[in-house]
Amino acid sequence: DQQVKQNSPSLSVQEGRISILNCDYTNSMFDYFLWYKKYPAEGPTFLISISSIKDKNEDGRFTVFLNKSAKHLSLHIVPSQPGDSAVYFCAASAEGSNTGKLIFGQGTTLQVKP
Amino acid sequence: DADVTQTPRNRITKTGKRIMLECSQTKGHDRMYWYRQDPGLGLQLIYYSFDVKDINKGEISDGYSVSRQAQAKFSLSLESAIPNQTALYFCATSDFSTDTQYFGPGTRLTVL
Repeated sequence: DQQVKQNSPSLSVQEGRISILNCDYTNSMFDYFLWYKKYPAEGPTFLISISSIKDKNEDGRFTVFLNKSAKHLSLHIVPSQPGDSAVYFCAASAEGSNTGKLIFGQGTTLQVKP
Repeated sequence: DADVTQTPRNRITKTGKRIMLECSQTKGHDRMYWYRQDPGLGLQLIYYSFDVKDINKGEISDGYSVSRQAQAKFSLSLESAIPNQTALYFCATSDFSTDTQYFGPGTRLTVL
């Protein structure tokens, strides 16, 4: 069973506009959520995270929103830039259990058009 | 210099061959992980280690083995490679205090 799902394989937005990437999860034990960005021929790079005690975390142009009741999180990029074009993975863990394991979604390919 | 390095970056091998992928880190993290990524799929955990004497199976460990030779080194072996092990392989590390993981650049493995 897929515990973390990114239902949109791809997203295309215009430079300067908002990009919204979505992620759903099923395991109520997850208490820590992360977004990674991946360029071709590179490893995933950590972007932003959020603990389940918060519903929003912001870092510059990137904001992650967490809706625990809906088991849904989203990443907002404002304004979007061509350099943001990449594959974005959401991931979740039960950090309180100290297993160290991350469960990843399938990824969403974002294309930002100039 | 990169904090997490992987060698080789690309490898083509034949069915039945033994192959080793290596990972080194300078972040001083205790925890290390091996993942594989297939097209259209997320990263799947193969093995992970919390210290030199600790080895744990992940979701897809069949056909793989690992060795944690030192805190900074974690290697992945395919004892007898098969074509469906063709994939991108990533090593990652994390500190014991958080689940945030930091990834190496990956190894593209092709098994013919």
